Amino acid sequence: DADVTQTPRNRITKTGKRIMLECSQTKGHDRMYWYRQDPGLGLRLIYYSFDVKDINKGEISDGYSVSRQAQAKFSLSLESAIPNQTALYFCATRAGEHTDTQYFGPGTRLTVL
Amino acid sequence: AQSVTQLDSHVSVSEGTPVLLRCNYSSSYSPSLFWYVQHPNKGLQLLLKYTSAATLVKGINGFEAEFKKSETSFHLTKPSAHMSDAAEYFCVAVNFGNEKLTFGTGTRLTIIP
Repeated sequence: DADVTQTPRNRITKTGKRIMLECSQTKGHDRMYWYRQDPGLGLRLIYYSFDVKDINKGEISDGYSVSRQAQAKFSLSLESAIPNQTALYFCATRAGEHTDTQYFGPGTRLTVL
Repeated sequence: AQSVTQLDSHVSVSEGTPVLLRCNYSSSYSPSLFWYVQHPNKGLQLLLKYTSAATLVKGINGFEAEFKKSETSFHLTKPSAHMSDAAEYFCVAVNFGNEKLTFGTGTRLTIIP
């Protein structure tokens, strides 16, 4: 089984709809991250969490919110989706302060019509 | 502030010939540098990382990279390309002090049979 899973893998929705993307991990890592990938722009950080009670905005958090329901679960919500939120979204984990490798999920492709 | 520049958006090589993917970084400190690979419809997989130890870093699948501080470069190489190397490659600079990961815009590697 994959260490970092994301659901759904693909989603098509309409402008104004609320969408939740979910991420689960079995690696036991404290730190979790949400990124979006757009062609030609690499990955950009949306939100990150150091533990259940510690959530921080990344560089492009506007229009998004997150919830860290447990150490293993980190959800990303789009309260009112808009077309320019069409992108590939990745969840990632990292063990802690003195480790350096992030482990990525397989991604969720979101299309907002 | 830090930035990462991948000098080629697309590289094509023949199977069995060497691969060179170029990455330059700009940072006010010595960053940790990573190369990730993304196969179609897959998540990002870590190839290798430099974290201030040996400047020549060996990774998975025969890839290696050399950190050259004087040239602010971290180019990725492989002596002999294989068809399975066809993918997109990302150079990443990391500042774990502020959880800032800076991704390059990616290089798409095509292998010609």
